[in-house]
Amino acid sequence: QSALTQPASVSGSPGQSITISCTGTSSDVGNYKFVSWYQQHPGNAPKLMIYDVSDRPSGVSNRFSGSKSGNTASLTISGLQAEDEADYYCSSYTSISTWVFGGGTKVTVL
Amino acid sequence: QVQLQESGPGLVKPSQTLSLTCTVSGGSIYSATYYWSWIRQPAGKGLEWIGRFHTSGTTNYNPSLKSRVTISVDTSKNQFSLNLSSVTAADTAVYYCARRDGYKDGFDIWGQGTMVTVSS
Repeated sequence: QSALTQPASVSGSPGQSITISCTGTSSDVGNYKFVSWYQQHPGNAPKLMIYDVSDRPSGVSNRFSGSKSGNTASLTISGLQAEDEADYYCSSYTSISTWVFGGGTKVTVL
Repeated sequence: QVQLQESGPGLVKPSQTLSLTCTVSGGSIYSATYYWSWIRQPAGKGLEWIGRFHTSGTTNYNPSLKSRVTISVDTSKNQFSLNLSSVTAADTAVYYCARRDGYKDGFDIWGQGTMVTVSS
């Protein structure tokens, strides 16, 4: 299984909105509502930010939102804050009952 | 509050078997709702899903690791384990155990991770 494709880096100024894309295939992202997103600060374990494409776990800011169109899922961070600077990973269930992650996107707050 | 904690050797010699344990506290590993996974991350790189276990007996593994991986559970100790055989330097990584909710697709609880180095 191949890793999902994410941009290596995305940046934005405080208060702006940014969107991170996650492109897979019809065997994963395109065929299931099982896409999730994770935030990882240096030295820490990943934290679940979005599950089932667009749902937020309790306690996650509503500035984080998810969506999907075809084989591409997206994570949008609105009202960008300094604390949002981190690595972000997408993940999808696959047709062979496994999970695959994206390569990760480094978000920089300018 | 469910917590996960990885444990095991931090150094493994090439060609040997890497063995790690994840201890689940604050909840039962035997809940039918949850799936238990191992995920790894080489330094400076992305996440790689290794495999998962469900107490129904179902296991699934990453095809690229399948021939070398076994995930098992010890319900009496509320633990699950990872065995990765014939390791090489490419297996050097931080290894995480994580829980997935069967009704919400996402790894919602993670251990802190344990660094494993493969070196002679």
